[in-house]
Amino acid sequence: NAGVTQTPKFQVLKTGQSMTLQCAQDMNHEYMSWYRQDPGMGLRLIHYSVGAGITDQGEVPNGYNVSRSTTEDFPLRLLSAAPSQTSVYFCASSFSRQETQYFGPGTRLLVL
Amino acid sequence: LAKTTQPISMDSYEGQEVNITCSHNNIATNDYITWYQQFPSQGPRFIIQGYKTKVTNEVASLFIPADRKSSTLSLPRVSLSDTAVYYCLVGDFRAGSARQLTFGSGTQLTVLP
Repeated sequence: NAGVTQTPKFQVLKTGQSMTLQCAQDMNHEYMSWYRQDPGMGLRLIHYSVGAGITDQGEVPNGYNVSRSTTEDFPLRLLSAAPSQTSVYFCASSFSRQETQYFGPGTRLLVL
Repeated sequence: LAKTTQPISMDSYEGQEVNITCSHNNIATNDYITWYQQFPSQGPRFIIQGYKTKVTNEVASLFIPADRKSSTLSLPRVSLSDTAVYYCLVGDFRAGSARQLTFGSGTQLTVLP
């Protein structure tokens, strides 16, 4: 199993550009989530999904959209990038909310 | 949300036991306590989870007092490779729960030779 994979590993965007951060897992996990990590602030939950077709907002959802058309994939879309979205983004998955979350390697995003 | 408070940083020497305490004064009845470890440029990795008293696995122990308002992660005989950030996470992990999971700022543990 590859576990949780994220692409790209690093991305530079200009303000106003849009992009999609990809996340995929091959463990048949129902629960998937996106976090952002800023220096000194730990991880903050952006969006999460409890299964295909079901998504919900986390702590800091503004500026981000998600969808869950399959169990395996949970892309995160930035509609109009802003410098405040410069961060490291982690995707995580687990069998359910009660279970251990497995994190991907992260995507480092720089918005100029 | 059950807010957590941890020391920002700790130093230790190889071979010593390290105890990292997390305060969570407003923990709810259905909340569990989970600890994650994160190395630079990697995603967090699960260490241990507990609800009350003591839990032990092959890498750590978790001590939770009766009032559950704090917890202590104990790492026996640390090595240089244990240098990492440790997060205390408190949340309701029940299926269908709408409560969000919250990571604190973490504790930077530095193990010195």
